[in-house]
Amino acid sequence: GAVVSQHPSWVICKSGTSVKIECRSLDFQATTMFWYRQFPKQSLMLMATSNEGSKATYEQGVEKDKFLINHASLTLSTLTVTSAHPEDSSFYICSARAQVFTEAFFGQGTRLTVV
Amino acid sequence: SQQGEEDPQALSIQEGENATMNCSYKTSINNLQWYRQNSGRGLVHLILIRSNEREKHSGRLRVTLDTSKKSSSLLITASRAADTASYFCATDGGAQKLVFGQGTRLTINP
Repeated sequence: GAVVSQHPSWVICKSGTSVKIECRSLDFQATTMFWYRQFPKQSLMLMATSNEGSKATYEQGVEKDKFLINHASLTLSTLTVTSAHPEDSSFYICSARAQVFTEAFFGQGTRLTVV
Repeated sequence: SQQGEEDPQALSIQEGENATMNCSYKTSINNLQWYRQNSGRGLVHLILIRSNEREKHSGRLRVTLDTSKKSSSLLITASRAADTASYFCATDGGAQKLVFGQGTRLTINP
């Protein structure tokens, strides 16, 4: 299957700082990328859907100014957690797909710990 | 937002037995997909079944879809210890976004 690389795999940051997570499709062009958040032993909560060259569509309840998503090219999307707080600590996962209504390929996830 | 519910939430069986997981959803779909997640990792796509299909096979996996009942099932036959993981269904509909169910944690005991 296609490969999606997510970086970093884990990060620890101080409260009040910002953290950027990258998601790259290595061998295909991703017209759509998704960002999810996952709490321990729970399901994936969709945060936003991003299409290349346009603004991300955020799910209800997700703060746009806190979770900045940029999909600047067909192979790269970034999620920036701004002014991070301990409650932002979580597992963040990106996925990408080349066409609508097809399978999605997932990155390995980023474990964010805010101290 | 979570699209649907999966049951059971947890399933523990002996190696060699079959495992069945169910998924229910609420809205219209173009397709339904099943994914697997090993602890602390990303998800791996298992199978996609379109709304006009009723059954699909892939190796030891068998997926059924009943759009009238808005439900799907995943059957893993002849289970192995390596099948231990969490399994999620995801609906793919008009909004063109993948929304996941609550998942089933499957444990295969040797």
